[in-house]
Amino acid sequence: DAKTTQPPSMDCAEGRAANLPCNHSTISGNEYVYWYRQIHSQGPQYIIHGLKNNETNEMASLIITEDRKSSTLILPHATLRDTAVYYCIVRVLGSGAGSYQLTFGKGTKLSVIP
Amino acid sequence: DGGITQSPKYLFRKEGQNVTLSCEQNLNHDAMYWYRQDPGQGLRLIYYSQIVNDFQKGDIAEGYSVSREKKESFPLTVTSAQKNPTAFYLCASSTTGQGPNGETQYFGPGTRLLVL
Repeated sequence: DAKTTQPPSMDCAEGRAANLPCNHSTISGNEYVYWYRQIHSQGPQYIIHGLKNNETNEMASLIITEDRKSSTLILPHATLRDTAVYYCIVRVLGSGAGSYQLTFGKGTKLSVIP
Repeated sequence: DGGITQSPKYLFRKEGQNVTLSCEQNLNHDAMYWYRQDPGQGLRLIYYSQIVNDFQKGDIAEGYSVSREKKESFPLTVTSAQKNPTAFYLCASSTTGQGPNGETQYFGPGTRLLVL
């Protein structure tokens, strides 16, 4: 799976949009971009994933650049409950034994400030 | 409520003791996984199972054992051979279907294991 690079920390004012960047310059054509978050002392929570088109769900939007070398997770109206570590992961689906492993890096610690 | 449950939330182990962590899911997922997380670190895969009665080692399987006798359950035993078991243990499950919406892993709340 391709390696990702994320800033170690970010701040966002409550009610504003939080834009979390991720670089994955070595991503291959069949690798998906996944985002998870982990609130302190809880299990990771799935947020969204995509291949090349932008995606939106009830939690967030995922914007993937045309060359797929970077992406941005957008939380449109951040709340204090969104304070967490956000992980960007790229992975291949369905490629046999070992393909299921999620490789979590250190992520971005997002602090939402009142 | 559909989801993944892990118990207990906190577990204490004495030196030389085996302990078993429970993981149950009612999502009808075929695949289940165990990860270990150390403070300030990412997750590392211990074992995974794609189907009942079958499982494979992950990156750090030494000192751990698992079983998969039922689709819903994937217990993890931390044996006395695991010399540094203090960590946060996370269980996850997923479908094994192909396609863009398959294989998304969903996590339980975790069990924190402490050695006395």
